[in-house]
Amino acid sequence: QVQLVQSGAEMKRPGASVKVSCKASGYIFTSYYIHWVRQAPGQGLEWMGIINPSGDSTTYAQKFRGRLSMTTDTSTSTAYMELSSLKSDDTAVYYCARAGLHNVADHWGQGTLVTAST
Amino acid sequence: DIQLTQSPSFLSASVGDRVKITCRASQDISSSLAWYQQKAGEAPKLLIYAASTLQSGVPSRFSGSGSRTDFTLTIGSLQPEDFATYYCQHLNSFPLTFGGGTKVEIK
Repeated sequence: QVQLVQSGAEMKRPGASVKVSCKASGYIFTSYYIHWVRQAPGQGLEWMGIINPSGDSTTYAQKFRGRLSMTTDTSTSTAYMELSSLKSDDTAVYYCARAGLHNVADHWGQGTLVTAST
Repeated sequence: DIQLTQSPSFLSASVGDRVKITCRASQDISSSLAWYQQKAGEAPKLLIYAASTLQSGVPSRFSGSGSRTDFTLTIGSLQPEDFATYYCQHLNSFPLTFGGGTKVEIK
């Protein structure tokens, strides 16, 4: 079965960077794009961007350009999301999701809580 | 950017009720809309894509309709496990924005 397993919770100081991993299994990694979506505490879902599995094509939401980087490692079927210059309002649960038919997020990781705080 | 407005933002209903949630897009998105269900502490789950196509394994009491700018998610007969927050998302063009969510609670 399709599974996306994310790395564990992170606590960072404002101004630091965080890198979250998302290891895929149960399907051919190179056949599907990966979305990244975040959710601040008590808030709704926010789409951050999408990456093709070979890692050579990315589209980021405007608000994150300049401090968001998405990459992949096809040898381990893993996608990565790195967010730099963290601010307190970057505190959120970050999800990866497989982009299936019509680009819908058809399978999701369990989420990674990133806390940016002094 | 395309904005999605969901209504209501909060809904109180009883088991067995028929429930409708609407999602309005700020411009024509054809049928490029998905619906997700999220329970507290869990990742979202895809229910419907292409406005009206039921994702495999999703109960048939869920249905989607609409096109262009106006869309509806209907739960035919609300079950205890359906109490959750529901989100729409468009897939027409980047950025792929979500609606603000509709929380369905027990009356």
